[in-house]
Amino acid sequence: GAVVSQHPSWVICKSGTSVKIECRSLDFQATTMFWYRQFPKQSLMLMATSNEGSKATYEQGVEKDKFLINHASLTLSTLTVTSAHPEDSSFYICSARDPGQGNQPQHFGDGTRLSIL
Amino acid sequence: AQSVTQLDSQVPVFEEAPVELRCNYSSSVSVYLFWYVQYPNQGLQLLLKYLSGSTLVKGINGFEAEFNKSQTSFHLRKPSVHISDTAEYFCAVSDLRRNTPLVFGKGTRLSVIA
Repeated sequence: GAVVSQHPSWVICKSGTSVKIECRSLDFQATTMFWYRQFPKQSLMLMATSNEGSKATYEQGVEKDKFLINHASLTLSTLTVTSAHPEDSSFYICSARDPGQGNQPQHFGDGTRLSIL
Repeated sequence: AQSVTQLDSQVPVFEEAPVELRCNYSSSVSVYLFWYVQYPNQGLQLLLKYLSGSTLVKGINGFEAEFNKSQTSFHLRKPSVHISDTAEYFCAVSDLRRNTPLVFGKGTRLSVIA
């Protein structure tokens, strides 16, 4: 079945560092990918919708300059947390929907645990 | 816009007992409904989905859910739980448009007690 791969799975870095997270669709082309953020013991909050070849659509309250999204190809979207600070520590999850499966559910990556010291 | 309410944030249950995790949704249009499970430090795994047809949907790991349009509910059930079912369960809704994301409930923590 469709698989979404996310890398890295765990990142620990110093405050002020920029961190890039990759999300790949392994056996389908995804014109749209979604980035979610999850705080401990809470639900997934949609951050942005990544559109191949165009600008991402951000949800209200999400800083575009803090969370840079690039969807340069049909199989890869990246989320860069710029100048990360401890409050950016969270679990980030990407997902994509296989357009060949009509309105089938989204497939999720395994998430990236980001810890900023 | 759609919204999802999971009424119980935590559900403790003894092993081999039945369990029901409640989910209600709100939408002005027709929707698809899903249940996902999340194990610690992992992504989400699809348990089951309702797209159309029979209102009783069977999923993986012995779970099933029933879509009730009049009550706008999609409760998840399992007749006999195992320790390995301990996880976070999320109910989600999506409209029929291809590029709209899922909207999640706040999740229910199922804890199975030996």
